[in-house]
Amino acid sequence: AQKITQTQPGMFVQEKEAVTLDCTYDTSDPSYGLFWYKQPSSGEMIFLIYQGSYDQQNATEGRYSLNFQKARKSANLVISASQLGDSAMYFCAMREGNTDKLIFGTGTRLQVFP
Amino acid sequence: ETGVTQTPRHLVMGMTNKKSLKCEQHLGHNAMYWYKQSAKKPLELMFVYSLEERVENNSVPSRFSPECPNSSHLFLHLHTLQPEDSALYLCASSQDPYSGTQYFGPGTRLLVL
Repeated sequence: AQKITQTQPGMFVQEKEAVTLDCTYDTSDPSYGLFWYKQPSSGEMIFLIYQGSYDQQNATEGRYSLNFQKARKSANLVISASQLGDSAMYFCAMREGNTDKLIFGTGTRLQVFP
Repeated sequence: ETGVTQTPRHLVMGMTNKKSLKCEQHLGHNAMYWYKQSAKKPLELMFVYSLEERVENNSVPSRFSPECPNSSHLFLHLHTLQPEDSALYLCASSQDPYSGTQYFGPGTRLLVL
């Protein structure tokens, strides 16, 4: 079974609007971490936001917030006030327990239009 | 210079060539990683080094040979590659391999002819 599922291959959003990118995960480990990365066409994976499984509050970093619903095993990324520069691939990733492995999803391509 | 740097950014090589990819991190981290990103596939972890010792080798073919001479530098030596090895190779580093956030370099786009 896939550990990280991103069901949206592509998303479009108009500039200044908010967009939600979906991510569901599968683990039986009570301790895990969830990450979102942005990958522009240049190739670099840029860390955006982190949520620990024991964190009580949803993580936020500027225009990025993580909608963490533990019971549903979802960790959706919300980008508020989209900008043209937000156009990129977005990857959800998980690390289980004290392991050195980051497991990545297949990504969602976001395109922001004027 | 800050962050994680990788050289070269692009590389074209024949199947009989030998080349090396270089990664350098300026973040004072103790763990470094090599990932492979092929088209339409999730990132695949290849190797993990913690304090210059290899702690993970994800069943990678021997034509890929990593080297970590110190905690700031990581190399990936390539020899007799196959066309299916063409991919984006990403290096990352973290404070430690078991709990830190991984920060990535810009990658090397490799084309094997």
